[in-house]
Amino acid sequence: DGGITQSPKYLFRKEGQNVTLSCEQNLNHDAMYWYRQDPGQGLRLIYYSQIVNDFQKGDIAEGYSVSREKKESFPLTVTSAQKNPTAFYLCASSIDWGGGYEAFFGQGTRLTVV
Amino acid sequence: KNQVEQSPQSLIILEGKNCTLQCNYTVSPFSNLRWYKQDTGRGPVSLTIMTFSENTKSNGRYTATLDADTKQSSLHITASQLSDSASYICVVSIKAAGNKLTFGGGTRVLVKP
Repeated sequence: DGGITQSPKYLFRKEGQNVTLSCEQNLNHDAMYWYRQDPGQGLRLIYYSQIVNDFQKGDIAEGYSVSREKKESFPLTVTSAQKNPTAFYLCASSIDWGGGYEAFFGQGTRLTVV
Repeated sequence: KNQVEQSPQSLIILEGKNCTLQCNYTVSPFSNLRWYKQDTGRGPVSLTIMTFSENTKSNGRYTATLDADTKQSSLHITASQLSDSASYICVVSIKAAGNKLTFGGGTRVLVKP
């Protein structure tokens, strides 16, 4: 059953804590992405990775960090430096980097600061 | 500034009726345009993808059109069903900047029985 899986579905963070969102794909895709979605706004790119052991900042990378040690996995850490982390986070993958390729999305993680 | 604007922000239609969603973009140079459907609390799912040379593409009851000269796209939903209630997102790919995707804010559609 191929696809892209995000976990957890819901996550609560206390002020000053770091939390890590998981994203795993078994589609054999090289490229993976993290987006943030706020109500009424378009998705904004946080980080992307074109290939294993390489990743690049997107438009709103401040307060976030990622790693890409395995092709299948692209975890996102929301650090305490991110001042407004409450949002819906979406992970995506595509067979290769570039807008010409279909992007497949996970089901999202809703992060709430308590 | 590269932008993708969608209208209306939301609409309510009766089951069985048709509706049309609009997308205007200022992205340049243009690579392709996609429409995604996003159910509440879920990830977006692709409906159509169109390149510069295509001006219409269908996926079941969904038909997308593209006018690259006026930089406008529309998504037409025919004979709406309750399951069509979702947000519809227009996404444009910029040919430069590594084919980066630029997302519109979406149109929220509610289909009532």
